[in-house]
Amino acid sequence: DTGVSQDPRHKITKRGQNVTFRCDPISEHNRLYWYRQTLGQGPEFLTYFQNEAQLEKSRLLSNRFSAERPKGSFSTLEIQRTEQGDSAMYLCASSAQRGRSVEQFFGPGTRLTVL
Amino acid sequence: DAKTTQPNSMESNEEEPVHLPCNHSTISGTDYIHWYRQLPSQGPEYVIHGLTSNVNNRMASLAIAEDRKSSTLILHRATLRDAAVYYCILRETQGGSEKLVFGKGTKLTVNP
Repeated sequence: DTGVSQDPRHKITKRGQNVTFRCDPISEHNRLYWYRQTLGQGPEFLTYFQNEAQLEKSRLLSNRFSAERPKGSFSTLEIQRTEQGDSAMYLCASSAQRGRSVEQFFGPGTRLTVL
Repeated sequence: DAKTTQPNSMESNEEEPVHLPCNHSTISGTDYIHWYRQLPSQGPEYVIHGLTSNVNNRMASLAIAEDRKSSTLILHRATLRDAAVYYCILRETQGGSEKLVFGKGTKLTVNP
């Protein structure tokens, strides 16, 4: 257990429905990241926050995806009008500070299945 | 994004050393080399990182070539719990990005 928690751990939904995932980072970490991982691939970066500010977004993050971190603590990732191609593991990570030598701590992920 | 090249898979026997190679010929002078691993059904976990000198921690050792164009993650005595996908990642300096760029990694199988 890294101290990063994600909820739910599994989500099955029908195409076209909206889903929301939550991530609770390690409490003293001001940086929070979202990644997506499909079967057989490494995780792909989606977005990251420093405190409540969203500082970087991947081109993978289409307009159906939105992420928030309203008080600089937990974060939510919402997918609207889900498609089968959204089926993946959604991973959250946090880190304490900026720097190329700083490690990121990952949560267990939320596995999304879109039927 | 800086690129790394790793073998798709490797096998080892339990209690034997494992050397996981990574090529990063386009590495810049101030890029850190990070290793993460991902056990089945879990999120990635940090293993080790280095810049120029070899590094040791409780999990592994990192040997970095003198020209920094390659590195090797060393597990001194593999256990069944070390079976995972190992990712070699460069932490880039250009553009100020904080993201980790994962490749496909090396899937390590440890035989009893």
